[in-house]
Amino acid sequence: DIQMTQSPSTLSASVGDRVTITCRATQSIDRWLAWYQQKPGQAPKLLIYDASSLQTGVPSRFSGSGSGTEFTLTVSSLQPEDFATYYCQQYRSYSPYTFGQGTKLEIK
Amino acid sequence: QLQLQQSGPGLVKPSQTLSLTCAISGDNVSSNTAAWSWIRQSPSRGLEWLGRTYYLSRWYYDYASSVRGRITIRPDTSKNQFSLQLNSVTPEDTAMYYCASSPEGGGSSEFDSWGQGTLVTVSS
Repeated sequence: DIQMTQSPSTLSASVGDRVTITCRATQSIDRWLAWYQQKPGQAPKLLIYDASSLQTGVPSRFSGSGSGTEFTLTVSSLQPEDFATYYCQQYRSYSPYTFGQGTKLEIK
Repeated sequence: QLQLQQSGPGLVKPSQTLSLTCAISGDNVSSNTAAWSWIRQSPSRGLEWLGRTYYLSRWYYDYASSVRGRITIRPDTSKNQFSLQLNSVTPEDTAMYYCASSPEGGGSSEFDSWGQGTLVTVSS
């Protein structure tokens, strides 16, 4: 299985900050990577697919980059509604699809 | 607008079968441009993809090795829904279960729509 590792596990930041979350894969996944946002009591919500494509309706302050084994999710200017947990997911192989362990973005 | 609505019991006894259903609106379970998955989430295992079904001239099924042999995902074209059955459950199967859709049938892709989730507890 392709393992996905996110860092950091927890990130404390303030409204207006620029933050970056990293996701690493144990083997190349080209650009077959998605990012999700999950708030308490809700299902994950797709933010980014194909490493850098913004899902319809997602604010442009979210951006993704990377290829191969290293990827980043950046929020350019944090808003109060962005404090949540973020997950990466690889779909280079559906045998099986795998997710990172999550990064919790907290208010400083 | 694709919507997925889950239903099923929240409590299952050990050794019995977990059964959940996901009703689809805004698309068709037989679409050749979509795949239908089940995913679960627990503190110990994180987000774990369990399996999927999709239709490309015939029905296909892919299952995670962690649950293969215990899992069945079944489409129901008459009701435009798909279901999850997980046999011989143990307390380790306690989790929030989600259904989700992918915008590509036979390939690999992201999950662009999710059900609301069903918390399933395995306990006697």
